[in-house]
Amino acid sequence: EPEVTQTPSHQVTQMGQEVILRCVPISNHLYFYWYRQILGQKVEFLVSFYNNEISEKSEIFDDQFSVERPDGSNFTLKIRSTKLEDSAMYFCASSVRGLGNQPQHFGDGTRLSIL
Amino acid sequence: AQKITQTQPGMFVQEKEAVTLDCTYDTSDQSYGLFWYKQPSSGEMIFLIYQGSYDEQNATEGRYSLNFQKARKSANLVISASQLGDSAMYFCAMREAYNTDKLIFGTGTRLQVFP
Repeated sequence: EPEVTQTPSHQVTQMGQEVILRCVPISNHLYFYWYRQILGQKVEFLVSFYNNEISEKSEIFDDQFSVERPDGSNFTLKIRSTKLEDSAMYFCASSVRGLGNQPQHFGDGTRLSIL
Repeated sequence: AQKITQTQPGMFVQEKEAVTLDCTYDTSDQSYGLFWYKQPSSGEMIFLIYQGSYDEQNATEGRYSLNFQKARKSANLVISASQLGDSAMYFCAMREAYNTDKLIFGTGTRLQVFP
């Protein structure tokens, strides 16, 4: 069964550095998402992306964050000038289409640790 | 106010027994969708089942069924014939309104299945 793949599985970065989290969504999916889960807390929406532009973002997704689909397969989340509180599990998800009954399929996540 | 409430932080069930995981939601929208995801200790998020607000029948997927009571705004997950591999965190999530596809998650219920 096709799946969303995320790399790396674990990223350790010094505070203040930039980090790029990578995702390969399921190939026929058109809608892409990033969520994060701080340890022990619930999953929080960051951003949705369709047709090469952000369709929705949360208040967490400030100027520190950006997303990009640099080619036909990858979807990336860039975090500039990382802070300690950015430490979390970051999940990429994709769906065939937005709205309706289509589920969002999640990757295995990237655990980001900021030192 | 919490959009998704999961009041059971932890549940225990014996193998082969059925278990119900509670989820209540809060929305003023008429059109919305409810999802359940499983998160094993390895961290990935696995889609289990979906219920649309206009669906007249309760959703079922194999051993998973959703007890949807719209008037009570509850969407409880029922797992029949529990297996040891069902031990995981379970998250209820809602896609609210017609013009957004972000998922709002509850705090989760940790299910432990014992022999």
